Amino acid sequence: EAGVVQSPRYKIIEKKQPVAFWCNPISGHNTLYWYLQNLGQGPELLIRYENEEAVDDSQLPKDRFSAERLKGVDSTLKIQPAELGDSAVYLCASSLSGGAETQYFGPGTRLLVL
Amino acid sequence: GDSVTQMEGPVTLSEEAFLTINCTYTATGYPSLFWYVQYPGEGLQLLLKATKADDKGSNKGFEATYRKETTSFHLEKGSVQVSDSAVYFCALSLSFGNEKLTFGTGTRLTIIP
Repeated sequence: EAGVVQSPRYKIIEKKQPVAFWCNPISGHNTLYWYLQNLGQGPELLIRYENEEAVDDSQLPKDRFSAERLKGVDSTLKIQPAELGDSAVYLCASSLSGGAETQYFGPGTRLLVL
Repeated sequence: GDSVTQMEGPVTLSEEAFLTINCTYTATGYPSLFWYVQYPGEGLQLLLKATKADDKGSNKGFEATYRKETTSFHLEKGSVQVSDSAVYFCALSLSFGNEKLTFGTGTRLTIIP
């Protein structure tokens, strides 16, 4: 069974440019999460989807970040415009449902903003 | 707010040594507790979990016991191997509408032969 797929794995952009990350969760997983991991820190939740509905986006900086999961399967996270402080690893995870279900993580996208 | 405090790293041990990585938590409810591991170049993987007080999670020789009285979930292994070198994250999750994982800062473990 395929795991959580993320692309690209690495991205280098100049500040003020837009960038997008893509995630395909494990088949059948209804819940999808985007986390931000800064260097030397643990991941922090940005947004959680139940199917196509964003049920927790309280930590998403909505002035520059947006996300969508239109058909309740794969998801895209966008930053526009990117700032130097956005350099980090962006992790996608999925689970069968919410609650204490195990979350399965993708390998992440490492973003460097110059 | 809810938080997880992990033992500062990095930790370097010799092969076959005993391992303890301390983890304590603060939570407003009754969390589930997790240890995740991140091997070099890979994504986070669930190592073990416990969902209620006094539960013991175990996997691959690692163990952790949910201690409500000390709000702790320390990770232990009796004899570490070089292949255990990774970053270990302690995390908690509250159910009933608050399913996000709250992570500690991670502990980098290096095992030398």
